[in-house]
Amino acid sequence: GESVGLHLPTLSVQEGDNSIINCAYSNSASDYFIWYKQESGKGPQFIIDIRSNMDKRQGQRVTVLLNKTVKHLSLQIAATQPGDSAVYFCAELGNFGNEKLTFGTGTRLTIIP
Amino acid sequence: EPEVTQTPSHQVTQMGQEVILRCVPISNHLYFYWYRQILGQKVEFLVSFYNNEISEKSEIFDDQFSVERPDGSNFTLKIRSTKLEDSAMYFCASSRLRTGNYGYTFGSGTRLTVV
Repeated sequence: GESVGLHLPTLSVQEGDNSIINCAYSNSASDYFIWYKQESGKGPQFIIDIRSNMDKRQGQRVTVLLNKTVKHLSLQIAATQPGDSAVYFCAELGNFGNEKLTFGTGTRLTIIP
Repeated sequence: EPEVTQTPSHQVTQMGQEVILRCVPISNHLYFYWYRQILGQKVEFLVSFYNNEISEKSEIFDDQFSVERPDGSNFTLKIRSTKLEDSAMYFCASSRLRTGNYGYTFGSGTRLTVV
């Protein structure tokens, strides 16, 4: 069945360093991926998305890489700040017409001052 | 920036009681969703709603759950007879387009505690 999973449940990074959060997916038909940030007591907040016809997409301090060959995507956060501490989820929206997001289990990112 | 608003932020209810969780989606959005997140677990899809009817639902969304858009602005999730395992954060979300090209916008959630 479809699943979206994360390699690491926790990640600690020194403030100012770059962080990389990884995600694996199993549905080869997935065509749209989203990274969400969830701070304590809040709902998921959209960070960046990527379609399956792209390998890389950049935003402000964030980059998402998609490797369709191994069904893997990653979120890179440059020059991490204390406000980046949160749980990060990858989510997948399947074939066209499928409306539901399938979330991964999440990685807790802690920025060490 | 437009927000999805959920009320209450926290609800405590006795097992077997009915609860209604309320959401006000973003005004020009057409697609509405409920998700839930059991403590420490991933966010799970419950139901999607468009044009005043359910368009997709998960196996979690059984006969105890129902959704309604009673007045054109609110979007509600009702649990008829709550169980202990219904304790979770419930997130409402809305999107302008069906395939979420612009992403979903989530509310801050309602924490439901069933005792």
